[in-house]
Amino acid sequence: GAVVSQHPSRVICKSGTSVKIECRSLDFQATTMFWYRQFPKQSLMLMATSNEGSKATYEQGVEKDKFLINHASLTLSTLTVTSAHPEDSSFYICSARGQGREPQHFGDGTRLSIL
Amino acid sequence: GENVEQHPSTLSVQEGDSAVIKCTYSDSASNYFPWYKQELGKGPQLIIDIRSNVGEKKDQRIAVTLNKTAKHFSLHITETQPEDSAVYFCAATKAAGNKLTFGGGTRVLVKP
Repeated sequence: GAVVSQHPSRVICKSGTSVKIECRSLDFQATTMFWYRQFPKQSLMLMATSNEGSKATYEQGVEKDKFLINHASLTLSTLTVTSAHPEDSSFYICSARGQGREPQHFGDGTRLSIL
Repeated sequence: GENVEQHPSTLSVQEGDSAVIKCTYSDSASNYFPWYKQELGKGPQLIIDIRSNVGEKKDQRIAVTLNKTAKHFSLHITETQPEDSAVYFCAATKAAGNKLTFGGGTRVLVKP
């Protein structure tokens, strides 16, 4: 149980392109989803927290107009990197949790490479 | 806010030996401490967690201990196997569903 699916797993695109990443909870309803960014050999850095039907809460220093988050249903959240540039290249990972005291379960990440 | 320190950053052990990773946290209000294993190119996988009302928890070859007074917790892997090679992250939070503060990670290499 508690499977989180993230798609796509790998994206390579040109500078200026907008990229959408999907995060789905397959066998549970995710009241909260989290988006992280991870640089090589570093820890996970929380970008934002999203609750279904509400606006996302962004961490300090994360541009909300650059990283658009939508959590329209209890099983799907999307992260759109708008007008991506090479410095946005990174490993983006989502996690989801159900209600109550459930722990976070992570997707397998999306490696974004901007040329 | 919470700050989590993790040591060591790298750990090399011989197959069959034990591995121990230690974390300290700063916020005494934190009461939930998960451990994640991340393999290359994948997302973190929850391997064990502990809540503040428990001092120790074990699941087969993996155990976690918590010392709330000293604000530190540790992961113990016994009888290590090559498939245990990965990056391990500790984390802390005030409640299981809240946002996590991660340690810096420990790269574990189990040599056959």
